[in-house]
Amino acid sequence: DVVMTQTPPSLSVAIGQSVSISCKSSQSLVYSDGKTYLHWLLQSSGRSPKRLIYQVSNLDSGVPDRFSGTGSQKDFTLKISRVEAKDLGVYYCAQTTHFPNTFGAGTKLELK
Amino acid sequence: AVQLVESGGGLVQPGKSLKLSCSASGFTFSSYGMHWIRQAPGKGLDWVAYISSSSGTVYADAVKERFTISRDNAKNTLYLQLNSLKSEDTAIYYCARSDWFAYWGQGTLVTVSS
Repeated sequence: DVVMTQTPPSLSVAIGQSVSISCKSSQSLVYSDGKTYLHWLLQSSGRSPKRLIYQVSNLDSGVPDRFSGTGSQKDFTLKISRVEAKDLGVYYCAQTTHFPNTFGAGTKLELK
Repeated sequence: AVQLVESGGGLVQPGKSLKLSCSASGFTFSSYGMHWIRQAPGKGLDWVAYISSSSGTVYADAVKERFTISRDNAKNTLYLQLNSLKSEDTAIYYCARSDWFAYWGQGTLVTVSS
């Protein structure tokens, strides 16, 4: 199975600060079609997960451009610029290149 | 708008069975594969099973031989049959659409306890 290693496990931030979350996979996430199926989701407290970014760097509709995703092969990063209160929650990376699909353990973004 | 609504969760004794449903609306259900994903209390996300639009299936090792994913396209409904339940199956069970987890339901809680 592909292991997704997410760091840090938690982040304490001030409003307006920028943060980055790392996600590293144990295998390349490049599929046979040449695309990379690495995605980022946010789970706010008591809510279902919501996808923010798909295929490394594509923002979902309605997601502000303060969010950005970069990376390739096995090394990926989510960056949030100018954190707002509504950004708080647990961020997960997820891969759908390989079965079983797998998730990172999550990064909890909290207010400092 | 795309909507996924899970149901069927509850309290069940170890070794017993339960069947979860996920009712889909707002899109052509038969055209999409679907996932079940679970989340144990206070833990992260754990992928459980997938069914393609043509009903091919894939399972996580932890549930293989015990869980069965199925679909009824006429009813726009996804199912997960849970057999031989264990305490470690206690979790919120979510259904999600196959386009890389774009849409999720609100989840249904399964508690396995005597």
